[in-house]
Amino acid sequence: QKEVEQNSGPLSVPEGAIASLNCTYSDRVSQSFFWYRQYSGKSPELIMSIYSNGDKEDGRFTAQLNKASQYVSLLIRDSQPSDSATYLCAVKERAGSYQLTFGKGTKLSVIP
Amino acid sequence: KAGVTQTPRYLIKTRGQQVTLSCSPISGHRSVSWYQQTPGQGLQFLFEYFSETQRNKGNFPGRFSGRQFSNSRSEMNVSTLELGDSALYLCASSLAVSEEQFFGPGTRLTVL
Repeated sequence: QKEVEQNSGPLSVPEGAIASLNCTYSDRVSQSFFWYRQYSGKSPELIMSIYSNGDKEDGRFTAQLNKASQYVSLLIRDSQPSDSATYLCAVKERAGSYQLTFGKGTKLSVIP
Repeated sequence: KAGVTQTPRYLIKTRGQQVTLSCSPISGHRSVSWYQQTPGQGLQFLFEYFSETQRNKGNFPGRFSGRQFSNSRSEMNVSTLELGDSALYLCASSLAVSEEQFFGPGTRLTVL
C-alpha cells in the first residue's frame, strides 16, 4: 500500500518565524509532489509543485525534494496568522495518471 | 478564469437513497478527478476521467460510479447510500499538459 506520511501536528510557530512541514512517501517510483493548503471548511488550494531534487522557491514558500530519502518538505518564511491551516502533501505515483495520494495533513497554527 | 465548480454544495440524504454530484472543470481542462475527504481517512482518490474515459479507479465499492461528458463536465453517482458515505466530495481538474490539479469547493454530503 502506497503511503504518504505527515506529522498531524498541531505545529505552532510564532508570527514571523519559519514553519517547516515534512512529508515522507513509500513508493520510490513517485514522480511528482504537491503541497496544498486547506483552511477549515474549505477545499484544498495548490501552493507548490516540485518534480526534481532540490529546492523550489515561490515567494515565502520553499519546497524541498530528496528522492533518495523519499522526503519532501515545505518551508514557510515570515509566517503569518493567515498561514494557519492544514497543509496536505500529495504524491503522484506514475506517468499517465492524475491520481494523487495524500497525507493526512499537518495542522499549522501561527501565533500572533 | 473561472475555477472548478461543483453542485450542489450541500446535500442531505437518507440511507438507501442515491445521489448525483456534478463538477464543471476549469475551461480548457480535460481531466477530472474525484476524491472523498473524511476526518478519519483524509483525502482518498475515487476515480479519474480524461476525454470521457475512466482511466483510473480507487478502492471504492461499485456503488460509486462516474462519467464524463464531451464538454469535460463530470458527474459521480453513489447508489444505496450508507452512513459512512457522509463526506466532502471534491472534484479536481487538470490541463492535459500539466500535472497540477485544482480543486473545486466540494459537495458536503450528509447521510442520515
